Amino acid sequence: QKEVEQNSGPLSVPEGAIASLNCTYSDRVSQSFFWYRQYSGKSPELIMSIYSNGDKEDGRFTAQLNKASQYVSLLIRDSQPSDSATYLCAVKLGGTASKLTFGTGTRLQVTL
Amino acid sequence: SQTIHQWPATLVQPVGSPLSLECTVEGTSNPNLYWYRQAAGRGLQLLFYSIGIDQISSEVPQNLSASRPQDRQFILSSKKLLLSDSGFYLCACDSFNEKLFFGSGTQLSVL
Repeated sequence: QKEVEQNSGPLSVPEGAIASLNCTYSDRVSQSFFWYRQYSGKSPELIMSIYSNGDKEDGRFTAQLNKASQYVSLLIRDSQPSDSATYLCAVKLGGTASKLTFGTGTRLQVTL
Repeated sequence: SQTIHQWPATLVQPVGSPLSLECTVEGTSNPNLYWYRQAAGRGLQLLFYSIGIDQISSEVPQNLSASRPQDRQFILSSKKLLLSDSGFYLCACDSFNEKLFFGSGTQLSVL
C-alpha cells in the first residue's frame, strides 16, 4: 500500500468552477499535511499547510483534513487556466526533520 | 525568508561519468537540508537529508552520496552515473516553522 495516494488525473474542470483534489494517507501518526503546486518542468511550490481537523482557507484555496478517515483534500474555487498544474499532497510524521512523504500528484486542467 | 540556489538547471552526462550538484541556502541558519529526486511520471523520492554539518542520512541505497561541508551548502555526488540516475533533482530546505521549500531543480539526463 502506498503511503500517500492521489488520483493521477487529469482532472478537468471549466474555468470558474471548483476543483476538488483528494489525498489519502496510510500512517495514522502523521501530523502535518501540505499541498504543493508544480508546473511542468518547475519545482514544487507550497500553497497550503494544515495541521488540525477541519477546514483552512487561504484566498481561493481551502484545505480540508479528516484524521479519522486519513483524508486530506484541496478545493480551488473560481478555477483559472493558470491553476493548471500538478498538485502534490505531502504528509509529515513528527520529528526534527521535515521528512515529507509525497503522493505522485494529480494533474489539473482548467479549460476555457 | 530563505533563498535556495541550485545549479545547473539542466545537465546531460554520459553513463559512467561523475556528478556533482551543489545547493546553497541564504537567509537562514542551521537549516535542515534535503535532496529529492523526481523521475519521469513518478513522485518525489527523498534521497538524503541533513540536520547539520557532516550529518547526512540516506533514505535509500543507491549510486549517490551527499555531503554538507558548510552549514548552508549541500552537495549531491556520484562517482559513476547510471541510466537510472536520470531525473529531476531538487534541493530543499525547511525553516523553523517546518515548512519545506524547494530550489529550482536540476534536470539530469544520463545517456
